[in-house]
Amino acid sequence: DTAVSQTPKYLVTQMGNDKSIKCEQNLGHDTMYWYKQDSKKFLKIMFSYNNKELIINETVPNRFSPKSPDKAHLNLHINSLELGDSAVYFCASSAQGDTEAFFGQGTRLTVV
Amino acid sequence: AQSVTQLDSQVPVFEEAPVELRCNYSSSVSVYLFWYVQYPNQGLQLLLKYLSGSTLVKGINGFEAEFNKSQTSFHLRKPSVHISDTAEYFCAVKGGTSYGKLTFGQGTILTVHP
Repeated sequence: DTAVSQTPKYLVTQMGNDKSIKCEQNLGHDTMYWYKQDSKKFLKIMFSYNNKELIINETVPNRFSPKSPDKAHLNLHINSLELGDSAVYFCASSAQGDTEAFFGQGTRLTVV
Repeated sequence: AQSVTQLDSQVPVFEEAPVELRCNYSSSVSVYLFWYVQYPNQGLQLLLKYLSGSTLVKGINGFEAEFNKSQTSFHLRKPSVHISDTAEYFCAVKGGTSYGKLTFGQGTILTVHP
């Protein structure tokens, strides 16, 4: 059983399109995150949700909109995709009061 | 604000040799420290973590790390590496709150040669 799963694993799309990445965790965790890994492999947090509420929003363009329909899901919707959005996006989760984050396999987004 | 510096972007070693991957951090609050490993085209897997207590932390796959508060370091070590240890390693720090984000270093590519 995959603890944190993301779909799709690969996404190739044209500039200007709108796309979504889905994330689900079956660990019963309260907190979920989106991280972006750029072409130089640098990982940076984008968003964090706790019990469906946004708690971290790290200077991300408002073309990016996370949505958490329930504690187990955190989806990322991106409007008007730009070339610079090409990256690997990782979903992660952790339990409240716990410090360890569990990561998904990543979604490699390529904007052409 | 927290920051993490991994001092080596690439570390080549021969199989069965010891290795040390260096990590320094800065933070104005107490922190938790982590090492994650990323194999090619895969997600991040936790190797080990320091929360409190003993400064020497043992993790999976024979790795260990030592927390040094005075030097604000958390170096990762393995006494004898295998080809399968070839991967990218990330040091990360988390502030002392339940909702704290992970701040990552730039990563160190470990390449083990036969």
